[in-house]
Amino acid sequence: GAGVSQSPRYKVAKRGQDVALRCDPISGHVSLFWYQQALGQGPEFLTYFQNEAQLDKSGLPSDRFFAERPEGSVSTLKIQRTQQEDSAVYLCASSLGLAGGPADTQYFGPGTRLTVL
Amino acid sequence: QKEVEQDPGPLSVPEGAIVSLNCTYSNSAFQYFMWYRQYSRKGPELLMYTYSSGNKEDGRFTAQVDKSSKYISLFIRDSQPSDSATYLCAMSRGNTPLVFGKGTRLSVIA
Repeated sequence: GAGVSQSPRYKVAKRGQDVALRCDPISGHVSLFWYQQALGQGPEFLTYFQNEAQLDKSGLPSDRFFAERPEGSVSTLKIQRTQQEDSAVYLCASSLGLAGGPADTQYFGPGTRLTVL
Repeated sequence: QKEVEQDPGPLSVPEGAIVSLNCTYSNSAFQYFMWYRQYSRKGPELLMYTYSSGNKEDGRFTAQVDKSSKYISLFIRDSQPSDSATYLCAMSRGNTPLVFGKGTRLSVIA
């Protein structure tokens, strides 16, 4: 595909349910990032992959959050036992090379809007 | 205090006006500075990228970075209704994730 795609675009979950959010990065992109964007706020970093290796997960808010990228392409963000405070837009971004290198642009997907009732 | 501060607005201007958007930051280790534009229900898209201090111009957009004051700006000339969006500043130290501001919501009125 031409850009980063995410699915589903919208997800409504009952409190306590588990959810899985998918990200398809741009083909060939080495780096993949997950961000959480609460209403009226900027995106906040959750976790970062370089190929299949999860190099930084310091932004994951609790052990209910888990991310994987087993073959170095598609990534899944899983949230167990969802809580109301998990309601947010979850953004995925990918970049061609190593994170933060000069002109290493992060391209964002449209996000998954999660609402926990 | 958050690492990156940005006035959330909203900011409303008439078509053709010059718009000035700003962010301040506290971490002097930031070296890469970006401005993203985010339309409603879309992901952020990169507008401008600057390394270290200085100015960068691209069409109607000019980005400025003043590392001594820890202050960055984005100027939009001849603003258009299609510029109506949320503008996010973002920065990083290098091999680290982006740190975003809260975003400023801009409306350009025809």
